[in-house]
Amino acid sequence: EAGVVQSPRYKIIEKKQPVAFWCNPISGHNTLYWYLQNLGQGPELLIRYENEEAVDDSQLPKDRFSAERLKGVDSTLKIQPAELGDSAVYLCASSLQGTSREQFFGPGTRLTVL
Amino acid sequence: GESVGLHLPTLSVQEGDNSIINCAYSNSASDYFIWYKQESGKGPQFIIDIRSNMDKRQGQRVTVLLNKTVKHLSLQIAATQPGDSAVYFCAEMPNSGYALNFGKGTSLLVTP
Repeated sequence: EAGVVQSPRYKIIEKKQPVAFWCNPISGHNTLYWYLQNLGQGPELLIRYENEEAVDDSQLPKDRFSAERLKGVDSTLKIQPAELGDSAVYLCASSLQGTSREQFFGPGTRLTVL
Repeated sequence: GESVGLHLPTLSVQEGDNSIINCAYSNSASDYFIWYKQESGKGPQFIIDIRSNMDKRQGQRVTVLLNKTVKHLSLQIAATQPGDSAVYFCAEMPNSGYALNFGKGTSLLVTP
């Protein structure tokens, strides 16, 4: 069974440019998460979806970050414009349901903002 | 210039020895405590969890211990293997559900 797929794996952009990350969760998983992981730190939740509904986006910086999960499957996370401090790994995870302690993570997208 | 960032606590063990990784938590109201393993270049992977009404749970080669009195969680790995080399994170799931709060990681290095 395929795991969580993310693309691109690496992205280098200049500050003020837009960037988008794509995630395809495990088939049948209703809950999808986007996390940010800084070097040496644990992942921090940005947004959680139940099907196509964003049910927790309290940690998403809405002035520059946006996300969508059309049709309740794939998801896209966008940053516009990117800032130097946005350099991090962006992880997507999915689970059968929101109460699952076991979340399945993708490999992440490593973003470098120059 | 000097790199600003966190220096992960590192535990170095010899292959075949037992490893103990510790974690302190702050939220007494958390319902579950979970351990994740993250290998270089990969996302975190679930290892084992324990409910707050338990003090010990065993899996395959791993044991998690929970001490609610001192708010301490530990992961014991028996007969540590080179493939166990990774960063280990503890996480808690509050009673409110859904959000996993990850702690700071510990880097485990297994030497032959």
